[in-house]
Amino acid sequence: AQSVTQLDSHVSVSEGTPVLLRCNYSSSYSPSLFWYVQHPNKGLQLLLKYTSAATLVKGINGFEAEFKKSETSFHLTKPSAHMSDAAEYFCVVSYNFNKFYFGSGTKLNVKP
Amino acid sequence: GAVVSQHPSRVICKSGTSVKIECRSLDFQATTMFWYRQFPKQSLMLMATSNEGSKATYEQGVEKDKFLINHASLTLSTLTVTSAHPEDSSFYICSARVGPSNTGELFFGEGSRLTVL
Repeated sequence: AQSVTQLDSHVSVSEGTPVLLRCNYSSSYSPSLFWYVQHPNKGLQLLLKYTSAATLVKGINGFEAEFKKSETSFHLTKPSAHMSDAAEYFCVVSYNFNKFYFGSGTKLNVKP
Repeated sequence: GAVVSQHPSRVICKSGTSVKIECRSLDFQATTMFWYRQFPKQSLMLMATSNEGSKATYEQGVEKDKFLINHASLTLSTLTVTSAHPEDSSFYICSARVGPSNTGELFFGEGSRLTVL
C-alpha cells in the first residue's frame, strides 16, 4: 500500500527565513514523488518532482527537495521565504503514474 | 507547461438539478484525466480516473451514477453531478497526465467550486 504523510498541517515562518515542509511516504516499491502548491481557490501547480534520477531535486521559485530512501522522506525546503510563498503545499506519491496519492497538505504562513 | 482549463470556475445550483463541469487540455492530448474532490481545509480525494473512449474507473465509495464522467475526446473530459444535493457542495479539480504512463506528471485545472442550495 502506498501513502504519504505530511507531518505539519501548519507552518509559520518570517519572511527571509528558511522553509522546511516535511513529507514521509510509505511504498512497497520505488516511488515517484511530487510537491504541488495551491493558492486559495486555485488549482495545483507543480513545484518539483523526483522520478529516480538525482536525489536532490530543484524546482521552481527557489524550492528544492531531497529524496532520502533510508528515511523514506521527501522534505521540501527553501533558503529564504517570500510573502508570495504563502499557500498550501501538497506532497504526492505515485508508483505507476496511474494513481497519485495526496498528503493532507501543509499550510505555509509567511509573516512580514 | 501544459495547460488544463476547467469551466465553470464557480457554479451555484438548486438542489435536485444537475451540473456539468468541463475539463480541457488546451495544448496537448490527454488520454487520461483524473477528477478530484476537495473539502474545505482538506486534501484532494481522487474520485475517478477518466480514460478517453472507455468507461471511467471510480474509486471506492464514489457513486458512478451520481458523478457521471465522460471522456469523449483526447482534449475534453466532463463531470456531471446529477441530482445535486447540498452535501455535494465542494471544490472539484481535474488533472491530466502529460507524457507516457511511466514518466508522466499531472497538470491541474483551476478547479470548480460547486455550491448547492
